[in-house]
Amino acid sequence: EVQLVQSGAEVKKPGESLKISCKASGYSFSEHWIVWVRQMPGKGLECMGIVHPGDSHIRYSPSFLGQVTISRDNFLNTAYLQWSSLKASDTAMYYCARHEPTRGFDYWGQGTLVTVSS
Amino acid sequence: QSVPTQPPSASGTPGQRVTISCSGSSSNIGGNYVYWYQQVPGAAPKLLIFGYNQRPSGVPDRFSGSKSGTSASLAISGLRSEDEADYYCASWDDSLGIWVFGGGTKLTVL
Repeated sequence: EVQLVQSGAEVKKPGESLKISCKASGYSFSEHWIVWVRQMPGKGLECMGIVHPGDSHIRYSPSFLGQVTISRDNFLNTAYLQWSSLKASDTAMYYCARHEPTRGFDYWGQGTLVTVSS
Repeated sequence: QSVPTQPPSASGTPGQRVTISCSGSSSNIGGNYVYWYQQVPGAAPKLLIFGYNQRPSGVPDRFSGSKSGTSASLAISGLRSEDEADYYCASWDDSLGIWVFGGGTKLTVL
């Protein structure tokens, strides 16, 4: 069974760093893109960037380039999203999802709620 | 390029047929597949429609998708109370080199 399990909710202060994770199981991790999606409170879905675990190719949405870093660890079958200096405006739910070439984002993680507040 | 736009809200009564539009550009919808996702409150999005109007197993055939030029539509027939959710279209954008989502449509079942 394909599963994406994300790390738990985080409460951070502005300026702090953070790395959240998305652990995949039930399929060959290296064969599918993983996308990170932001959903700010009461707002829609935004694609932040995508990583291909097989060749470590990473693309960022222009809006998020330089704001976050996406990475992966093939030994742990895990993708990561990290910030070096959080802002209050980073408060949001973050989802990871698997991309299947013919089906789109067919499996999603449960989401990680990040709250940034002083 | 234009990120897909959707009406912010739609509504219908049980049993009715409703459609949700998604208007994009030649760099996204016009040249690529359109996908539709359903998000019920408090849950992660769920794939609803992919490819040429295909549904994952478990998605009822009351849901259907279509595309014409740079626009797409999601149709829901025989509306049910459990269809009340947010619906998002998505497509690859050749200019941005990344996936783009529509702004989402909140469907209310009256």
